[in-house]
Amino acid sequence: GNSVTQMEGPVTLSEEAFLTINCTYTATGYPSLFWYVQYPGEGLQLLLKATKADDKGSNKGFEATYRKETTSFHLEKGSVQVSDSAVYFCAPIYNQGGKLIFGQGTELSVKP
Amino acid sequence: ETGVTQSPTHLIKTRGQQVTLRCSSQSGHNTVSWYQQALGQGPQFIFQYYREEENGRGNFPPRFSGLQFPNYSSELNVNALELDDSALYLCATSWMETQYFGPGTRLLVL
Repeated sequence: GNSVTQMEGPVTLSEEAFLTINCTYTATGYPSLFWYVQYPGEGLQLLLKATKADDKGSNKGFEATYRKETTSFHLEKGSVQVSDSAVYFCAPIYNQGGKLIFGQGTELSVKP
Repeated sequence: ETGVTQSPTHLIKTRGQQVTLRCSSQSGHNTVSWYQQALGQGPQFIFQYYREEENGRGNFPPRFSGLQFPNYSSELNVNALELDDSALYLCATSWMETQYFGPGTRLLVL
């Protein structure tokens, strides 16, 4: 079945460091791709999305580009803040109205 | 702010009991999905409702059931609770392919 693989956490960075969280997905069809963020004790918040190849999603300084040739959707941010500490989930959806497929998530901890 | 609300926020049940969780949205989105998130794991799809009909189901037993109402609010019912049902239960409403999540209900089964 369809699946998604994220880099394992926890990822620990110093404030203002560059962030990359890798995400690859199963190459079946043409999924839409999402990044969600979960702060401690909360639900999931949509961070960004991309719906077709070469699209770039961006929000709050985070970016991710839909790379069909490498089936990847890596999350990047140029300068992280302590407030970015959270768990990040990459999730494809393979048909409109379908289910999101989540991996384990990647925990990010940013130190002052 | 997604406009998706869930109730209750927390509850504690004992094994064998039944529980009903609720989800509502201010947006009028006609599709709602439910997910179970065990501690330290990613959410797992339970089922989805579209215009009051079940529109897809994940690998969960029949004791997990749901309803969607004409105003698109929804309930998740779990019968014969087991210890492994302890988790955060998330609902999400959809606009096109994008799902917007509520804050979740944290269920503890003792």
